[in-house]
Amino acid sequence: EPEVTQTPSHQVTQMGQEVILRCVPISNHLYFYWYRQILGQKVEFLVSFYNNEISEKSEIFDDQFSVERPDGSNFTLKIRSTKLEDSAMYFCASGGQGADYGYTFGSGTRLTVV
Amino acid sequence: QKEVEQNSGPLSVPEGAIASLNCTYSDRGSQSFFWYRQYSGKSPELIMFIYSNGDKEDGRFTAQLNKASQYVSLLIRDSQPSDSATYLCAGSGSARQLTFGSGTQLTVLP
Repeated sequence: EPEVTQTPSHQVTQMGQEVILRCVPISNHLYFYWYRQILGQKVEFLVSFYNNEISEKSEIFDDQFSVERPDGSNFTLKIRSTKLEDSAMYFCASGGQGADYGYTFGSGTRLTVV
Repeated sequence: QKEVEQNSGPLSVPEGAIASLNCTYSDRGSQSFFWYRQYSGKSPELIMFIYSNGDKEDGRFTAQLNKASQYVSLLIRDSQPSDSATYLCAGSGSARQLTFGSGTQLTVLP
């Protein structure tokens, strides 16, 4: 079964450092997303990406965040200057066309900011 | 503010029983609703989606949607210990982004 692949599975970074989280969506999918889940809390939407541009972003997705699809397969989330409160599990997801657009989540990257 | 509300539980049912999970939503513009299962430390896994009023069945799972009452539910028949997980309800927005509830923790007792 096709999978959304995320790397790394766990990243520890110093406060103020930049991190890039990487995702390889399912190959024929057109819609890409990043979500995050702080430990013990809800899964929260960050950003959606379609046709090489952001289609929607949440209040969380401020100027320190950016997304990129640098080639035909990768989808990245960059956090420019990490804060302690950015510590969370970050999930990438991708979805295809059609009415059934319950999309597939990757296994996640656990980001720990120290 | 779009909200999806779930009873956080925990909900315990004996093996073989029916588990009933409920969800309400505030955004009348939401068109589709999703149930995801999340095991501890893992990513959400799609169980079902529903966008029409009424019931939708898939194996042991039945989703129910009542748009007038802004209510979504999930029934799990013949519950198994492997069904023990947190169940997340989510509603979709215009860009297909999902607003998740806080989840209901289900424990199926052998």
